Amino acid sequence: NAGVTQTPKFQVLKTGQSMTLQCAQDMNHEYMSWYRQDPGMGLRLIHYSVGAGITDQGEVPNGYNVSRSTTEDFPLRLLSAAPSQTSVYFCASSLGRWSSGANVLTFGAGSRLTVL
Amino acid sequence: GESVGLHLPTLSVQEGDNSIINCAYSNSASDYFIWYKQESGKGPQFIIDIRSNMDKRQGQRVTVLLNKTVKHLSLQIAATQPGDSAVYFCAENNNFNKFYFGSGTKLNVKP
Repeated sequence: NAGVTQTPKFQVLKTGQSMTLQCAQDMNHEYMSWYRQDPGMGLRLIHYSVGAGITDQGEVPNGYNVSRSTTEDFPLRLLSAAPSQTSVYFCASSLGRWSSGANVLTFGAGSRLTVL
Repeated sequence: GESVGLHLPTLSVQEGDNSIINCAYSNSASDYFIWYKQESGKGPQFIIDIRSNMDKRQGQRVTVLLNKTVKHLSLQIAATQPGDSAVYFCAENNNFNKFYFGSGTKLNVKP
């Protein structure tokens, strides 16, 4: 049981390049989400999904796309990277059921992205 | 968005002392709160949670207190250890699908 796995751990991009951050979980979690973490700020929600085929926007969705074709995977795509997207990105998942402990997010180790 | 903030950005305590980390939230409709610990270079880890129908919840060496009247949340760590050094985040939830995180408090434990 690996939990939430993110790849790559580090990435450097040039402005305008595209890339995909991968996220996979093996806990059969229905809910998956992406956050970004900037210095001195808390985690901000980018996009989330409550199940395969269903995605929705969070607080800061602009510049990012997601899809959820399987329960296990939730990739985050940057179509045209900008320096403002330099950040640490975290994928998180949960069972997605509103009962005690079932909504707790399990986080991946993070992906540090630098856009030059 | 929601406003979840912390009173102290950095807290330094002596090993063995108790630590108290505070958090203010703005949405009175929030009904679920979580504390996370984040060590350097790692993702946040769950510490303890509390629902709005409770005032206090205890775990192993940690206690969360919720004061809904003043919209305040605190995390108490008993007998703080060097391994407790990390950044601590509170998060609130009033919509099943969205959590809002505070900016974090860095806890430094001095030996």
